[in-house]
Amino acid sequence: SQKIEQNSEALNIQEGKTATLTCNYTNYSPAYLQWYRQDPGRGPVFLLLIRENEKEKRKERLKVTFDTTLKQSLFHITASQPADSATYLCALLYNQGGKLIFGQGTELSVKP
Amino acid sequence: DADVTQTPRNRITKTGKRIMLECSQTKGHDRMYWYRQDPGLGLRLIYYSFDVKDINKGEISDGYSVSRQAQAKFSLSLESAIPNQTALYFCATSERTSGRVADTQYFGPGTRLTVL
Repeated sequence: SQKIEQNSEALNIQEGKTATLTCNYTNYSPAYLQWYRQDPGRGPVFLLLIRENEKEKRKERLKVTFDTTLKQSLFHITASQPADSATYLCALLYNQGGKLIFGQGTELSVKP
Repeated sequence: DADVTQTPRNRITKTGKRIMLECSQTKGHDRMYWYRQDPGLGLRLIYYSFDVKDINKGEISDGYSVSRQAQAKFSLSLESAIPNQTALYFCATSERTSGRVADTQYFGPGTRLTVL
């Protein structure tokens, strides 16, 4: 079955630095890969989507890359701020009309 | 007002009790989902519904049932709650898939369920 792995250890960085989170998957590549943000006690919130034929997608301080050879997506937050502290989830969609498969998430902590 | 609402937000119950969690949405989406979240395990799909007459089991449907009463309402029932169903439960919605939105999901605030 398909597996998704995100760094289970929390990522601690200093304000102003770039945070990089990793999402690895096994077997075949998804049609779409999504990233969500989740704050404690709240539901996930959609951030970005990237298609299998796209290498990179940007939105303000966020950047997502998708490497189907490495079977990996990287999620970058540039000029990080304490308000970026949250858990970030990646999710894979294998065909249109299918179901999302979520990773377990990586907790990011940005220190002032 | 929130687009996806869940009731109750917190519930403590005892083993063997029947529990219903409710979800309502004002987004006009056809697709609705129920997930549970446990520490270290991420979000796991329990049931999903692509329209009122379409109900499908997800990854972990045993011990749960659902009802899609209307386009806007999707409820999750635990017929006889057990302690390992203690978890955070989320309802989500999405539009009918197109290349632009690709099942982007909108989550409710969650229900924290504790089964003693």
